[in-house]
Amino acid sequence: GAVVSQHPSRVICKSGTSVKIECRSLDFQATTMFWYRQFPKQSLMLMATSNEGSKATYEQGVEKDKFLINHASLTLSTLTVTSAHPEDSSFYICSASQTLETEAFFGQGTRLTVV
Amino acid sequence: AQKVTQAQTEISVVEKEDVTLDCVYETRDTTYYLFWYKQPPSGELVFLIRRNSFDEQNEISGRYSWNFQKSTSSFNFTITASQVVDSAVYFCALTPGGAGNNRKLIWGLGTSLAVNP
Repeated sequence: GAVVSQHPSRVICKSGTSVKIECRSLDFQATTMFWYRQFPKQSLMLMATSNEGSKATYEQGVEKDKFLINHASLTLSTLTVTSAHPEDSSFYICSASQTLETEAFFGQGTRLTVV
Repeated sequence: AQKVTQAQTEISVVEKEDVTLDCVYETRDTTYYLFWYKQPPSGELVFLIRRNSFDEQNEISGRYSWNFQKSTSSFNFTITASQVVDSAVYFCALTPGGAGNNRKLIWGLGTSLAVNP
């Protein structure tokens, strides 16, 4: 099956710093990638839809200036958590699909801990 | 309204037992897709199945089987002869039809399955 690689898998950062998470589709081109956030023992919450070559579409309640998304190529999308605070600590997961008719494949997820 | 309900929060079984995970969905769209994903303790999401709304045939893949019934808006997942490695959180998800919405998944809250030796 298609492979989506997310990096890093774990990151610890200090409060006030920024963290970048990468999501790569390794063996297919993804015009659209999705970023989710998952709190402990909860379901996934869609944060934003990342479209190659254009601005991301954010879900209601998600701060655009805090969660910067860049989709510079058909195989790479990045999520940058700016000025991170402890409440940003969470599990972040990306997904990518090749077309509207194919299933989305998920990255391994990134466990972010802000101290 | 679009919604996915997984009424079972946690299930615990003994190895080799059969277990069924329930999923009930709501949508007004006539075209939609239903999914099941597995999330083991390591955290990554593993795709299990995708089913479109026009295909009501049940599916079997090894020890896994799925029962899709539009009449009851259910898409239940059964694991036969469960194994310890099946222990994970299982999510049911729905994506409504229509351009631009196909991949915006609506997730259930998940069912945590523990298979004990």
